[in-house]
Amino acid sequence: QKEVEQNSGPLSVPEGAIASLNCTYSDRGSQSFFWYRQYSGKSPELIMSIYSNGDKEDGRFTAQLNKASQYVSLLIRDSQPSDSATYLCAVNLSGYALNFGKGTSLLVTP
Amino acid sequence: NAGVTQTPKFRILKIGQSMTLQCTQDMNHNYMYWYRQDPGMGLKLIYYSVGAGITDKGEVPNGYNVSRSTTEDFPLRLELAAPSQTSVYFCASGAGGFTEAFFGQGTRLTVV
Repeated sequence: QKEVEQNSGPLSVPEGAIASLNCTYSDRGSQSFFWYRQYSGKSPELIMSIYSNGDKEDGRFTAQLNKASQYVSLLIRDSQPSDSATYLCAVNLSGYALNFGKGTSLLVTP
Repeated sequence: NAGVTQTPKFRILKIGQSMTLQCTQDMNHNYMYWYRQDPGMGLKLIYYSVGAGITDKGEVPNGYNVSRSTTEDFPLRLELAAPSQTSVYFCASGAGGFTEAFFGQGTRLTVV
């Protein structure tokens, strides 16, 4: 079973700070990587995708990928209370479906 | 633009009953998926389909069946409901390959 590992948290950061969420994966053949945000009682919502090593920025979000270390991270700058949610890391190994981590709960305190 | 639509949103079943969770998408995606999500356990793949007439098992297929007669629809069938199938079920679709998936709003199922 290909594993996607995340720290379950909760990760607590003050409003305006940078939140750093991390994810490791077990299979070096993984080709694409995604971050989803899930509010309580809601469905997962795609916020970032990354396919190659390095950084990808979109507004306050930056995804970082290091395939050699099998590590992908999400940085949220200027965190807001509305960012409080569970963040799911997903990896597409086979080209057929996404394999998800258990998610990291983020709490942004005013 | 509706995206991925699931029905029903909530359902309570008795042990041994059967039901079908409906899923339809209007994005002309070839790939469709069924996941279940238990508290603190992330999303686990039940079944997926890469096109009409083609389905395959995911990580946790036991107790479920699927069919894909059209590009738009991908129903999930529970034949003999068990308490272990109490969960939130998400249908998703995507263009396939190594691209992202888009999720429906989910069905919360309780088996008592």
